[in-house]
Amino acid sequence: QSVLTQPPSVSGAPGQRVTISCTGNISNIGAGYDVHWYQQLPGTAPKLLIYDNNNRPSGVPDRFSGSKSGTSASLAITGLQAEDEADYYCQSYDTSLSGRVFGGGTKLTVL
Amino acid sequence: QVQMVQSGSELKKPGASVKVSCKASGYMFTDYAINWVRQAPGQGLEWMGWINTDTGNPTYAQGFTGRFVFSLDTSVSTAFLQISSLEAEDTAMYYCARGVGYCTGGRCRFDPWGQGTLVTVSS
Repeated sequence: QSVLTQPPSVSGAPGQRVTISCTGNISNIGAGYDVHWYQQLPGTAPKLLIYDNNNRPSGVPDRFSGSKSGTSASLAITGLQAEDEADYYCQSYDTSLSGRVFGGGTKLTVL
Repeated sequence: QVQMVQSGSELKKPGASVKVSCKASGYMFTDYAINWVRQAPGQGLEWMGWINTDTGNPTYAQGFTGRFVFSLDTSVSTAFLQISSLEAEDTAMYYCARGVGYCTGGRCRFDPWGQGTLVTVSS
């Protein structure tokens, strides 16, 4: 059971907007620690997608955006494309575990 | 460009040991931490811990103490993960990832990642 909770799956049609939630508690996201998001395309290593809650690394399209409020964070993807089909993970730090933690991952299916 | 290149797949018998390498290039090796992440077949990502490349001090996550050892060879910008007394449950993809940000504290993101090393434990 992951400390950060994500929906197992989300789906959307090409061109639509989807959001993926990441719910934590007062020991992690709620304690003020930043949330980072990773994209893992099938058969590949994860790649940093969003860092420090809402920043995109160079090369990441602006269709991807992140937000954080209270004990939760969200990843939004607009203008869905077939190539966005992947697993998405949130990551933060947990003070009770004294370590970094991942969400359980969300599989995005583009219909 | 910044790159992390890991050693190839390993097939080991239960009880054996394995050592996975992670060679960094494109940046000053001792300026950034190295994190290790496990992904069991069909499962999510699990943070195993990290090593301070400046001091060599390792930190292990809960569940990764005892049989897991992080080490470095800074002369060749390489980090290592050694797992001893292998069990079938250790079968997984193991990733190294550069830690960016204040990794000694709570603010650390992983970028980039190595391509992964598949360790299979089977008799």
